[in-house]
Amino acid sequence: ILNVEQSPQSLHVQEGDSTNFTCSFPSSNFYALHWYRWETAKSPEALFVMTLNGDEKKKGRISATLNTKEGYSYLYIKGSQPEDSATYLCAPSNDYKLSFGAGTTVTVRA
Amino acid sequence: ETGVTQSPTHLIKTRGQQVTLRCSSQSGHNTVSWYQQALGQGPQFIFQYYREEENGRGNFPPRFSGLQFPNYSSELNVNALELDDSALYLCASSSPTRGSTDTQYFGPGTRLTVL
Repeated sequence: ILNVEQSPQSLHVQEGDSTNFTCSFPSSNFYALHWYRWETAKSPEALFVMTLNGDEKKKGRISATLNTKEGYSYLYIKGSQPEDSATYLCAPSNDYKLSFGAGTTVTVRA
Repeated sequence: ETGVTQSPTHLIKTRGQQVTLRCSSQSGHNTVSWYQQALGQGPQFIFQYYREEENGRGNFPPRFSGLQFPNYSSELNVNALELDDSALYLCASSSPTRGSTDTQYFGPGTRLTVL
């Protein structure tokens, strides 16, 4: 199981503002990085699977970048909306196991 | 939603008891993974079942055990419950093709409280 850190633990964003947060993981033996969005009382929702250094993925207003050499990924939310309020989890995978960070909880204020 | 269902939604048990949690995987998926999320932490991998066999295990004691059935649904059993077993238990199904890049689709979880 890998040591994964996410920062900040939580953040508050004004509606319409953009934000970003970080996932750090061991760069050795890297296979893939998964991002999930988890809204209260729902199932975690898969956002991205990233494998290549320099990879960038986008889904609507949410995008993510990956640096496998230094072991970090950024997730960006552009023009935050109240429906973006959720906990965002990253999880590097080693074969079949996902090793989750504790998440960044985003609260978007109208 | 993912199509992965879990039952029950909530459960209260006392120390020393045994509990069984259930998971129905998404149609077409033959792999189920179980995770435990304690308060303030990210989900931690318990074990994975692939075609009815345990395919890997995290750092959990033997009193955590599982089963997978021919229809690929799965059970998580925990014996001799301890207070620290209080957590949200998540299951995730996938259809393994490439290993690390396979997306795991999660259910909504079962909240277990041990008193």
